[in-house]
Amino acid sequence: NAGVMQNPRHLVRRRGQEARLRCSPMKGHSHVYWYRQLPEEGLKFMVYLQKENIIDESGMPKERFSAEFPKEGPSILRIQQVVRGDSAAYFCASSRGPTDTQYFGPGTRLTVL
Amino acid sequence: AQTVTQSQPEMSVQEAETVTLSCTYDTSESDYYLFWYKQPPSRQMILVIRQEAYKQQNATENRFSVNFQKAAKSFSLKISDSQLGDAAMYFCAYRAHNAGNMLTFGGGTRLMVKP
Repeated sequence: NAGVMQNPRHLVRRRGQEARLRCSPMKGHSHVYWYRQLPEEGLKFMVYLQKENIIDESGMPKERFSAEFPKEGPSILRIQQVVRGDSAAYFCASSRGPTDTQYFGPGTRLTVL
Repeated sequence: AQTVTQSQPEMSVQEAETVTLSCTYDTSESDYYLFWYKQPPSRQMILVIRQEAYKQQNATENRFSVNFQKAAKSFSLKISDSQLGDAAMYFCAYRAHNAGNMLTFGGGTRLMVKP
């Protein structure tokens, strides 16, 4: 039973480029959450999605960031025109239902040069 | 808004001994969940233990147990018989039962285990 998959594990972008981070939830899980972890800090919630719907995006920056979870395929977190401050580890978690335990993927470490 | 506070940035423990990590939280909700996650150097977030607020009995998982004090809004993690593999960052997290599903994390405690 594969866990939450994230790719790539490491991503390097230059300022102004786009970053796309992918997350495949655990089998049977239809709820996906994205969190960001800045160096030496705890994780901060960004967005909560179910298939084809954004349920809560209260933690997403208003500009440049977007997320989707299509009917088929992985969830995507997209960051346009990246800046150095976007350098962080981005974690995806999934759960079977809205009140079930969230299980985390290994994270994607984004470095912006 | 809910907040989670871990007041110990770093802790150390001798191998085979017991250590307690502190966590306090602030919420106006009555029904919620509390978690401890472990983040080793691999950076993978691993669920250690989960507590439902409506349960008075403290959760235990092998060498890991919690002391949940609802009135004091305190949720400490006790690690017994510490092992070298327990060295990691430990994060306390809160989630309300109904008001959204996001986890709110504390700032973490780095645990070092001395051989």
